[in-house]
Amino acid sequence: GAGVSQTPSNKVTEKGKYVELRCDPISGHTALYWYRQSLGQGPEFLIYFQGTGAADDSGLPNDRFFAVRPEGSVSTLKIQRTERGDSAVYLCASTKLPGQGSEQYFGPGTRLTVT
Amino acid sequence: SQKIEQNSEALNIQEGKTATLTCNYTNYSPAYLQWYRQDPGRGPVFLLLIRENEKEKRKERLKVTFDTTLKQSLFHITASQPADSATYLCALGPGSSNTGKLIFGQGTTLQVKP
Repeated sequence: GAGVSQTPSNKVTEKGKYVELRCDPISGHTALYWYRQSLGQGPEFLIYFQGTGAADDSGLPNDRFFAVRPEGSVSTLKIQRTERGDSAVYLCASTKLPGQGSEQYFGPGTRLTVT
Repeated sequence: SQKIEQNSEALNIQEGKTATLTCNYTNYSPAYLQWYRQDPGRGPVFLLLIRENEKEKRKERLKVTFDTTLKQSLFHITASQPADSATYLCALGPGSSNTGKLIFGQGTTLQVKP
């Protein structure tokens, strides 16, 4: 069956621009996570959605970052006024059940490069 | 401060041997720990989950141990194969959160030589 998909796979943008990254979770998965992975590092938690609401946004680095999931399925991560330090791979994951211990299914990621 | 550390250097072993990867953590009280495999250009893929009240879990050629006293998890791949070459990530599920968010280590790259 279809896994988690993310678009675009690569995004190059200039410093100061606005970008949107999209995540399509596995159908029926209620929980959705965004992570950011820098080269040579493990993924770093950004935000967690349970249904339509952001249940935990404690990992968002600052108010330039925002994410939505208006219908409880597709999610969009939005970054305003991008900075070179935002360059990383942005990963999305979904789980069948919410909460602790559930296996997370990751998408292939969007590689963001800010020039 | 809170830290999760995995072997920073790549692990090179001969095909058929057992690979052992280490994950140490400080200042966390994890409710569980997961191990993921990541290939270049791809997202992590779940391998095993072990909970705080479990000492050991096995799945085919994989074995994971969890010692909450030592604050350490060991991940073993027996009879390793070149296809096992990848980066392996440990991830803690913090006991202070019920959201399922994961705190990842930096990963260890395993290279299995034929």
